Amino acid sequence: KNEVEQSPQNLTAQEGEFITINCSYSVGISALHWLQQHPGGGIVSLFMLSSGKKKHGRLIATINIQEKHSSLHITASHPRDSAVYICAVIYGGATNKLIFGTGTLLAVQP
Amino acid sequence: NAGVTQTPKFQVLKTGQSMTLQCAQDMNHNSMYWYRQDPGMGLRLIYYSASEGTTDKGEVPNGYNVSRLNKREFSLRLESAAPSQTSVYFCASSEGSYSNQPQHFGDGTRLSIL
Repeated sequence: KNEVEQSPQNLTAQEGEFITINCSYSVGISALHWLQQHPGGGIVSLFMLSSGKKKHGRLIATINIQEKHSSLHITASHPRDSAVYICAVIYGGATNKLIFGTGTLLAVQP
Repeated sequence: NAGVTQTPKFQVLKTGQSMTLQCAQDMNHNSMYWYRQDPGMGLRLIYYSASEGTTDKGEVPNGYNVSRLNKREFSLRLESAAPSQTSVYFCASSEGSYSNQPQHFGDGTRLSIL
């Protein structure tokens, strides 16, 4: 069982819809990353957060430390948002590595 | 602004052959990482280098060796390639010594072992 669980695994939306992708983890963490992997394979870091909420353009990331849960929201979705969205966590302590979820494949249809 | 550059982008090897994957970053980052990505699995850390001159094993180091040649370059070597090492390999870098900084990824190397 992966230590980082994402849901849903696959998501199809219509252009303009509000999208939510969820990430749950099992033990305390020091930080959580959201990344985007484009169809061509490139990976881009979207957010890194350890508490609260961050916003960048149409993307919003939230984290609830007590519930060990994070969400990535996309407002006014567009076909160019189609990608795999990956959650990754850093567990507390002197670790120097990310533990990755398996990703959510998002397809936004025009 | 190149960021993280990986070479080659594609490679096909025969079982038992050796090869080195190259990675270079131009952002003056301290930390560098090698990951592999397999279908249905999250990215897994092979090796990382927190700073120039240091390397440490990650989650799946068996069958690989690394060299942090200087601050810019971090190479991954397969001494005797096996079909189980067929994967997409990503190099990444980050400014800090701990993974609490955004990571910057290369475009990946698609490696097939026949």
